[in-house]
Amino acid sequence: NAGVTQTPKFRILKIGQSMTLQCTQDMNHNYMYWYRQDPGMGLKLIYYSVGAGITDKGEVPNGYNVSRSTTEDFPLRLELAAPSQTSVYFCASSPPGGASQPQHFGDGTRLSIL
Amino acid sequence: DAKTTQPPSMDCAEGRAANLPCNHSTISGNEYVYWYRQIHSQGPQYIIHGLKNNETNEMASLIITEDRKSSTLILPHATLRDTAVYYCIVRYAGGTSYGKLTFGQGTILTVHP
Repeated sequence: NAGVTQTPKFRILKIGQSMTLQCTQDMNHNYMYWYRQDPGMGLKLIYYSVGAGITDKGEVPNGYNVSRSTTEDFPLRLELAAPSQTSVYFCASSPPGGASQPQHFGDGTRLSIL
Repeated sequence: DAKTTQPPSMDCAEGRAANLPCNHSTISGNEYVYWYRQIHSQGPQYIIHGLKNNETNEMASLIITEDRKSSTLILPHATLRDTAVYYCIVRYAGGTSYGKLTFGQGTILTVHP
């Protein structure tokens, strides 16, 4: 069972570069999420999507963009990378049902901006 | 969202039950109690959740007090692979459609041989 798959696992960017973090899930979940986790801290929600074509901002959306063209994929785009975006990024998915349904996470992308 | 209080760290001997407490004294009637864990450098792993009743699955048991102000996660036979940070989270069932999931500092559980 693949679950939630994130690529790449590691990446180093220079300041000002851009990149896309990929996330795909094979559980046919409507809801998908992007979180970031800074060292020693909890997860913070960046963006989420309740279905194809529908996205919304979370707690810390500045500097990021998302799109959701299919149920399976939810890429996160970083434009003009900044050192403050050095973090571990986690993608998650869940079926509809709000708080009654658990979110399932991928193993993360570790991103360093130098 | 109701806040949770967990001890910063706990130890457990391998093969024994690990009982992780969580206080959520301000929880409201439509908020779920969730437990996740995070093993170093991996993504958070869902363990179990409940609303009012005690719950059990293949990984753990969740005991929620009758007044719902506290809960205990029980790992019945802890192994070295259960060493991780354990997060107790209260999720609001209303409001946003996805049910906000907020991770605090959690409890570092160390299982000793």
